[in-house]
Amino acid sequence: NAGVTQTPKFRVLKTGQSMTLLCAQDMNHEYMYWYRQDPGMGLRLIHYSVGEGTTAKGEVPDGYNVSRLKKQNFLLGLESAAPSQTSVYFCASSRRTRNTGELFFGEGSRLTVL
Amino acid sequence: SQKIEQNSEALNIQEGKTATLTCNYTNYSPAYLQWYRQDPGRGPVFLLLIRENEKEKRKERLKVTFDTTLKQSLFHITASQPADSATYLCALGSGGGFKTIFGAGTRLFVKA
Repeated sequence: NAGVTQTPKFRVLKTGQSMTLLCAQDMNHEYMYWYRQDPGMGLRLIHYSVGEGTTAKGEVPDGYNVSRLKKQNFLLGLESAAPSQTSVYFCASSRRTRNTGELFFGEGSRLTVL
Repeated sequence: SQKIEQNSEALNIQEGKTATLTCNYTNYSPAYLQWYRQDPGRGPVFLLLIRENEKEKRKERLKVTFDTTLKQSLFHITASQPADSATYLCALGSGGGFKTIFGAGTRLFVKA
């Protein structure tokens, strides 16, 4: 049982380049999320999805786009990377429930933008 | 704005002692509070959830308290072990997981 899998785990980009982070979950969860984690700050929600074909903005959505074409996959795109997007990105998933919101996280993708 | 505060300084304790971590929050009325463990280079892992109408929750060597009047949660690890060394994140939520907000975490070091 893999849980939540993120690829790639590491990536170095130059300013202005584009890339896509892939997240896959095998738990049949309805909800999926992309967070970024920066030193001294809590995890911040970038975008999320409550079901296949739907996405919504989180706390820090600027500079990112997402797509959820299949229930098990959630893609995070950077169209024109900036140094401020250097961070560790975490994908997470959860069941559709109002009462717990327990999140299952991937191992993270470390992105450096030069 | 909503804010969660966890002690940014690392907590160093001796093996066998009880570790106590604090989570304070403002401008939020959570339906529940969660604690996660995060090891270096890994993703957070869910540990415990306590709801707004619960005062205390236990799971093995872990105990969480939740005081909605003080807007504070305490996370205790009894009989701590070096394997408990990690960063512990506090998270508040209401409704679905997309409404969860996280604290920056407190690093715990348990010395043998």
